[in-house]
Amino acid sequence: AQKITQTQPGMFVQEKEAVTLDCTYDTSDPSYGLFWYKQPSSGEMIFLIYQGSYDQQNATEGRYSLNFQKARKSANLVISASQLGDSAMYFCAVYGGATNKLIFGTGTLLAVQP
Amino acid sequence: NAGVTQTPKFRILKIGQSMTLQCTQDMNHNYMYWYRQDPGMGLKLIYYSVGAGITDKGEVPNGYNVSRSTTEDFPLRLELAAPSQTSVYFCASSYSNRVETQYFGPGTRLLVL
Repeated sequence: AQKITQTQPGMFVQEKEAVTLDCTYDTSDPSYGLFWYKQPSSGEMIFLIYQGSYDQQNATEGRYSLNFQKARKSANLVISASQLGDSAMYFCAVYGGATNKLIFGTGTLLAVQP
Repeated sequence: NAGVTQTPKFRILKIGQSMTLQCTQDMNHNYMYWYRQDPGMGLKLIYYSVGAGITDKGEVPNGYNVSRSTTEDFPLRLELAAPSQTSVYFCASSYSNRVETQYFGPGTRLLVL
């Protein structure tokens, strides 16, 4: 079974500051992937970043980085230099290679303040 | 390429009515997925398909049916709509089971009254 936990229902951050969105996961698959998606108010799901369970280095994509701590089963998303356009829902998800299923967390609503 | 398209964008159903949510992709992707997103929640997998003629259940398949007669189309069928099926439905597709390549459609908002 796979499970994703996002404990922060909502967060505020000041523009230009960094913010960390928490995500912990549980999976029985030995090989898995961790994902972060952004969902703005318009509703579409936008892929942000991916971390494979065997990747040695933390993934980075522009201002997004994934703080992957395998022993703690955590995959926190770090957004550096927040922008007003970063205000959105952020979903963490885990994908098990043996199950072909992507399981989502309940999301964190991020509000960037000017 | 249009990517993943979904129709309709919005629909209101009465309890007990049936309808089909359409999903089409023009990227020649083998894998296709249907998710539902309830208010304030993440996405839950309803059904998925790894190729034409092959479908399998996800987390929440009850009350839904799917078919995959072609690579491009993956319709989702609701036979007897219930208020619990009020949700936003997302279709997605990917070339392989590497999910970072998964593309989402714009969603269909369904309200069952």
